[in-house]
Amino acid sequence: SQTIHQWPATLVQPVGSPLSLECTVEGTSNPNLYWYRQAAGRGLQLLFYSVGIGQISSEVPQNLSASRPQDRQFILSSKKLLLSDSGFYLCAWKLQGREKLFFGSGTQLSVL
Amino acid sequence: KNEVEQSPQNLTAQEGEFITINCSYSVGISALHWLQQHPGGGIVSLFMLSSGKKKHGRLIATINIQEKHSSLHITASHPRDSAVYICAVPFLLFSGGGADGLTFGKGTHLIIQP
Repeated sequence: SQTIHQWPATLVQPVGSPLSLECTVEGTSNPNLYWYRQAAGRGLQLLFYSVGIGQISSEVPQNLSASRPQDRQFILSSKKLLLSDSGFYLCAWKLQGREKLFFGSGTQLSVL
Repeated sequence: KNEVEQSPQNLTAQEGEFITINCSYSVGISALHWLQQHPGGGIVSLFMLSSGKKKHGRLIATINIQEKHSSLHITASHPRDSAVYICAVPFLLFSGGGADGLTFGKGTHLIIQP
């Protein structure tokens, strides 16, 4: 069966420190991968998506970057965190052409 | 860009009550998602529907494509139903059957009191 793993679950980082959030999918191949962010009091917003290894597209300009070094691995990074990067980050996957979307358990990031 | 509006934003009800959460969107879609987010943050997909009605246990989701409106109903509500319920509609990130993202509503925070 397909599963999605996202870690860490919570993270507290000082302003200016780097960030690396990892997401891996099991039980499927060539998934579309997504990073979403949910800021306090706001809906989920798409940050990045990927349709294949090394293929990353950004939906909104920001202080973050994403990479897909392997087919089922999606990484969200930052070189220097800002206070405004605080939020709840969700990784998700779906198969191209299919409607159903599967979410990871999320990472609560607090930048202090 | 599709605008997704949910109502109410917050809802507190007594155990056993019939619950209705509404979602409207501005641009025609192929399908709509209802999601449930628990206090820990994890999100679970409840329904994906493109027409009519779907039922799963005490949850019922309906959609009217012409009116661009969907509702999520909970019958015989229970405290364990307390969560944030989110509707989301897809949008194409690029054409040709490529990736699509979701535009999310801000969610309805539901509390069911015993």
